[in-house]
Amino acid sequence: KQEVTQIPAALSVPEGENLVLNCSFTDSAIYNLQWFRQDPGKGLTSLLLIQSSQREQTSGRLNASLDKSSGRSTLYIAASQPGDSATYLCAVRGSSNTGKLIFGQGTTLQVKP
Amino acid sequence: EAQVTQNPRYLITVTGKKLTVTCSQNMNHEYMSWYRQDPGLGLRQIYYSMNVEVTDKGDVPEGYKVSRKEKRNFPLILESPSPNQTSLYFCASSPCVGCSKEKLFFGSGTQLSVL
Repeated sequence: KQEVTQIPAALSVPEGENLVLNCSFTDSAIYNLQWFRQDPGKGLTSLLLIQSSQREQTSGRLNASLDKSSGRSTLYIAASQPGDSATYLCAVRGSSNTGKLIFGQGTTLQVKP
Repeated sequence: EAQVTQNPRYLITVTGKKLTVTCSQNMNHEYMSWYRQDPGLGLRQIYYSMNVEVTDKGDVPEGYKVSRKEKRNFPLILESPSPNQTSLYFCASSPCVGCSKEKLFFGSGTQLSVL
C-alpha cells in the first residue's frame, strides 16, 4: 500500500531564504506526483504536477523535482516571502489505479519578515 | 468564475441523523472526488468518480455514500453519521486524471461536527 511522508512537519525560516520541502513515497509505480498549497481555513491550490516520466517542473520561484527510483520529491522555494507561509502537501497518483490520490501529512511553513 | 462549490460551509448534527454535503463544479470536469482532513492524518480520499455514473471507493469509504447522476454534481451522503466522522471535508474536480490536462480544483471545505 502506498504511503506518502513529508518531513519536517513544520518549518520556520527568515524571509529571503531558499528552502526545500521533502516528500517520500514507498511505491515507485506512480503516474504523477503533485504539490499543493493550503492556506488556513481554505481549500487546496494546485502548485505543480510532475508526470512519472519527468524529472522536474518549475513555476515562478517554485521548482519540484522527482526521483521515482528512490521514492522522493522535493519542492524548492527560492527567495522565500512571508506570503509563502502556508501548509504544503504532496500527493501521489498510482499507475495501477489512477482514480486514487494519496496525500502526505503536509509541511507547515512559516516565513518570518 | 470557474469554481468548485461546497455546501454547507459548517454543519453541526447529531449521531444518526442523515445528512448530505453538496458539491458542484462549473468547469465541465469529468473527475470529482471527496476527501476528509484530520489533524495529524492529512487528507484521505473517501470516494471518487471518473465520470457520470462511475464511482469508486477511496481509502476511507466506510460510512459514506456518493452519487454522480450528472457531471456537475457529486454529493456526499452520510446515512447515519457518527462522532468519528467529525472532520473537515473537501470536494475536488479535474478535467481528467492520469492525463496531461490533470489539475485538481478544490472547494473551500465543509467543517462537520457530529455530536
